[in-house]
Amino acid sequence: EDKVVQSPLSLVVHEGDTVTLNCSYEVTNFRSLLWYKQEKKAPTFLFMLTSSGIEKKSGRLSSILDKKELFSILNITATQTGDSAVYLCAVRTDKLIFGTGTRLQVFP
Amino acid sequence: DTGVSQDPRHKITKRGQNVTFRCDPISEHNRLYWYRQTLGQGPEFLTYFQNEAQLEKSRLLSDRFSAERPKGSFSTLEIQRTEQGDSAMYLCASSISGGFPGELFFGEGSRLTVL
Repeated sequence: EDKVVQSPLSLVVHEGDTVTLNCSYEVTNFRSLLWYKQEKKAPTFLFMLTSSGIEKKSGRLSSILDKKELFSILNITATQTGDSAVYLCAVRTDKLIFGTGTRLQVFP
Repeated sequence: DTGVSQDPRHKITKRGQNVTFRCDPISEHNRLYWYRQTLGQGPEFLTYFQNEAQLEKSRLLSDRFSAERPKGSFSTLEIQRTEQGDSAMYLCASSISGGFPGELFFGEGSRLTVL
């Protein structure tokens, strides 16, 4: 059965800290891996990764995929209170299979 | 607004009642997905359509759940004889099928509360 596992489940940090969120997967018919940010509503798209070793970057967020070891990480540097959210990792096969998410809380 | 829209946004119902949710995808998207999300969990896949064809249904989708996409545009998700365990956010998403994997675009969700 396809599965996506995220760790840690929850993370509490202070503003300015750097965090690393982990996502590992076991699926058949891998097509891509996606990261989403979810606040109180629907998930919003952050990154899509299809190739190993190529870092995607958007401001203070960056992500990389390792297709040999079947994992991805999402880094957030210089965290801000607005980064507080649930970060979801999802693997695309014919559908999206989501992990449970990592709840990040950033305190001033 | 040309994004994915869902209706209603909130629904409160009594156990045993039937409810129906509607999703209007982005107009050029031929794939439409339904997910369910409970508190503290990631979205769980329920079913998806390519045009009007329902291509896959999750084992999570009991016989009380039915989804349709009759003309390949909007979709409905009906839950019959609701139970308290059906309380969740029901998310719809759409995408374009094809060889290149693209992201899904999510609607705001329909939150169901079963009393």
